[in-house]
Amino acid sequence: SAVISQKPSRDICQRGTSLTIQCQVDSQVTMMFWYRQQPGQSLTLIATANQGSEATYESGFVIDKFPISRPNLTFSTLTVSNMSPEDSSIYLCSVARVGGYTFGSGTRLTVV
Amino acid sequence: SQELEQSPQSLIVQEGKNLTINCTSSKTLYGLYWYKQKYGEGLIFLMMLQKGGEEKSHEKITAKLDEKKQQSSLHITASQPSHAGIYLCGAGSERAGGTSYGKLTFGQGTILTVHP
Repeated sequence: SAVISQKPSRDICQRGTSLTIQCQVDSQVTMMFWYRQQPGQSLTLIATANQGSEATYESGFVIDKFPISRPNLTFSTLTVSNMSPEDSSIYLCSVARVGGYTFGSGTRLTVV
Repeated sequence: SQELEQSPQSLIVQEGKNLTINCTSSKTLYGLYWYKQKYGEGLIFLMMLQKGGEEKSHEKITAKLDEKKQQSSLHITASQPSHAGIYLCGAGSERAGGTSYGKLTFGQGTILTVHP
């Protein structure tokens, strides 16, 4: 099964700044997914990232706020832009594989 | 869009007790995934169910998908403190036929506490 390295594991950021989260997969994968988990909530999909095309965003999420890059089949980044305290969440990347999905270890973001 | 309802929302049991967590959908489930999450961490894959009536077991955890493919249950036998965490059910995309080519929609999670 695919192994995902997600960085950073946590960060505390000032409001108005941006943070870029990276996910590196140990094998080539077609689809990568970015989720947000707000405190005490379940996971909500932000966008789906395919290599070579623009990410597809879910309702309520926009590219200006959450730009995504997918330069190759093993790597993706999610940027949380112009952060506010409401962006404090755990952000997780996920990849599709035969038989299921693998998740990164998550990035715990606190915006102060 | 598909919505998943998990019950109970939280569960506190004594070590050694059995427990069941349910996941119910208003629509047919195309691929039902169970995950465990330790507080503040990533998700650990437990099991995937696709066929109506399917049942899978791993160590002391058994997951079932009903014949109508609208409800799944996760059963833990003789619970241990290591079972504590948040259990999440996720449903695959209907368009993808439940295969691993679409997004997952998650239930709200069940918080399990196991007292030694």
